[in-house]
Amino acid sequence: EVQLLESGGGLVQPGGSLRLSCAASGFTFSSHAMNWVRQAPGKGLEWVSAISHFGDFIYYADSVRGRFTISRDNSKNTLYLQMNSLRAEDMAVYYCVRVLPSSNPGGRGYYYASWGQGTLVTVSS
Amino acid sequence: DIQMTQSPSSLSASVGDKVTITCRASQSITTYLNWYKQEPGKAPNLLIYGASTLQSGVPSRFSGSGSGTDFTLTISGLQPEDFATYYCQQSYITDSTTFGPGTKIDIK
Repeated sequence: EVQLLESGGGLVQPGGSLRLSCAASGFTFSSHAMNWVRQAPGKGLEWVSAISHFGDFIYYADSVRGRFTISRDNSKNTLYLQMNSLRAEDMAVYYCVRVLPSSNPGGRGYYYASWGQGTLVTVSS
Repeated sequence: DIQMTQSPSSLSASVGDKVTITCRASQSITTYLNWYKQEPGKAPNLLIYGASTLQSGVPSRFSGSGSGTDFTLTISGLQPEDFATYYCQQSYITDSTTFGPGTKIDIK
């Protein structure tokens, strides 16, 4: 069974930093691109960042570029999101998602077949 | 960027109703369109990918259609567990993605 378990969320002051982790199991982690998607309280889904299966291609939403860094450790089956210079508008539940299909890396037609349970990031003084 | 819109933003329906949600892209995305369902307090769940392919395990009362810029999600025979929020997502752009704003279905 595919499992994605996020951790690292919590309360942080504006301007502060947090590092989110996503522990993956039940599939070959190194064969899949991974993404982070967030959802502010009462709002819709917003894509945050993507990383290819070997970490050689990385993309960010304009809203987080220059402040957030996505990375992965395939030896530990873990995805990360380092979040710096946090703002009130970054407050959200952050979801780790597995990208399919693995047979067409970087191509169109991808979809998010597996989601973690989410971790809440609260930015407040 | 490709903008995604959905209509309606919310609707009220009864168990057994047939419900249709529309998603529109700001430019052609061929059939690179996915649908997700999100129940309150839970992570989203993939329903349909490629505009019309039902994800494994998803009930057959869900169906998707469309191509280009206009897409629909249909639920034929609404069940109690279907009262939730539904999102469309474009997967045409390879270095980013966008979701629609969501359509909430609640009980009439």
